[in-house]
Amino acid sequence: GESVGLHLPTLSVQEGDNSIINCAYSNSASDYFIWYKQESGKGPQFIIDIRSNMDKRQGQRVTVLLNKTVKHLSLQIAATQPGDSAVYFCAENMGIGSNYQLIWGAGTKLIIKP
Amino acid sequence: EAQVTQNPRYLITVTGKKLTVTCSQNMNHEYMSWYRQDPGLGLRQIYYSMNVEVTDKGDVPEGYKVSRKEKRNFPLILESPSPNQTSLYFCASSLLPGQGYEQYFGPGTRLTVT
Repeated sequence: GESVGLHLPTLSVQEGDNSIINCAYSNSASDYFIWYKQESGKGPQFIIDIRSNMDKRQGQRVTVLLNKTVKHLSLQIAATQPGDSAVYFCAENMGIGSNYQLIWGAGTKLIIKP
Repeated sequence: EAQVTQNPRYLITVTGKKLTVTCSQNMNHEYMSWYRQDPGLGLRQIYYSMNVEVTDKGDVPEGYKVSRKEKRNFPLILESPSPNQTSLYFCASSLLPGQGYEQYFGPGTRLTVT
């Protein structure tokens, strides 16, 4: 079946630098995408979402970019801090109408170097 | 405090011994869901419920049962656990399925079946 995937399983960045986490999806009909952050020993926590009719959405220190042409999603974290260390998951909604079927990627571990 | 709670947090059991993992949310959410998380596979949905007395299979429902007798509770039942059900389990809830409604996750239950 179609699935969401990630280019890099681990990403190591210097504290203060910007981080970019990438995600490829294969279902061109997916209409909604989400990024979650999971810290060690905790459940996933919502970061930001984007609908398929948008190319970009910004939150506090985070930006999600959606490129439907190449079916690519990215999460940009500005001025990375130690608290950003976590595993980041992208997910796409493959449900139709009121159905909600999230397909999750395997995750990218973000490591912050001091 | 708005939250999703799960119990127990850790459980070691033997093959074939029935167990129940409880999940409760205090946000009056209609939608609740169970996921399992395994290394390299991200989160996979087991069952979900869009309202009281309405439950549906997710991607990996085999070996699991759920019930939704009350809006706030969504227990996960393993009638005859097997070692391949050793995993980290998360319960989640949200207002409505579909676009724009983030899921809130519980802290997780780590299950080991020997």
